[in-house]
Amino acid sequence: QSALTQPASVSGSPGQSITISCTGTSSDVGGYNYVSWYQQHPGKAPKLMIYDVSKRPSGVSNRFSGSKSGNTASLTISGLQAEDGADYYCSSYTTISTVVFGGGTKVTVL
Amino acid sequence: QVQLQESGPGLVKPSETLSLTCTVSGGSVRSDSYYWSWIRQPPGKGLEWIGYISYRGNTNYNPSLKSRVTISLDTSKNQFSLKLSSVSAADTAVYYCASLYCTRTSCYLKDSWGQGTLVTVSS
Repeated sequence: QSALTQPASVSGSPGQSITISCTGTSSDVGGYNYVSWYQQHPGKAPKLMIYDVSKRPSGVSNRFSGSKSGNTASLTISGLQAEDGADYYCSSYTTISTVVFGGGTKVTVL
Repeated sequence: QVQLQESGPGLVKPSETLSLTCTVSGGSVRSDSYYWSWIRQPPGKGLEWIGYISYRGNTNYNPSLKSRVTISLDTSKNQFSLKLSSVSAADTAVYYCASLYCTRTSCYLKDSWGQGTLVTVSS
């Protein structure tokens, strides 16, 4: 299975909105509504930000939202804040019951 | 709140077998809809899913690692384990255990990852 495709980096100024894309195939992203997004700060374990494409776990800011169209999922961070600077990974369950991650996107708050 | 904790050697010699254990507390590995998972992250690189085991003992592995991976479950100790054989420097990574929660309408890695353990492959 191939890793999902994410941009290596995305940047924005405080208060702006940014969107991170995650492109897969009909065997993963396009196959189910089981895309999730994780935030990882250096030296820390990943933190779940979005699951099942667009659901937000309790405690996660509503500035984070997710969507999907075809084989591409997206994570949008609105009202960008300094603490949003981190690595972000998408993940999808696949049609062969495995899990695949994206390569990761480094978000820089300018 | 389920908590997971990895344990095992931090240094493994090339060609040998890497062995790690994940201890689950605050919940049972016998839980339905949970798939006990291993994920790794080489230094400075992205996440890679290794595989999972269900409470019934069913396993599924990353096709790229399948020939070298074994994940097992010990319900008496509320633990699950990873064995990766014939390791090389490319297997040097932080190894995480996590729980994949999957039902007919939902599937995601729950926010209860272990803190991760660095395993270095070197002679």
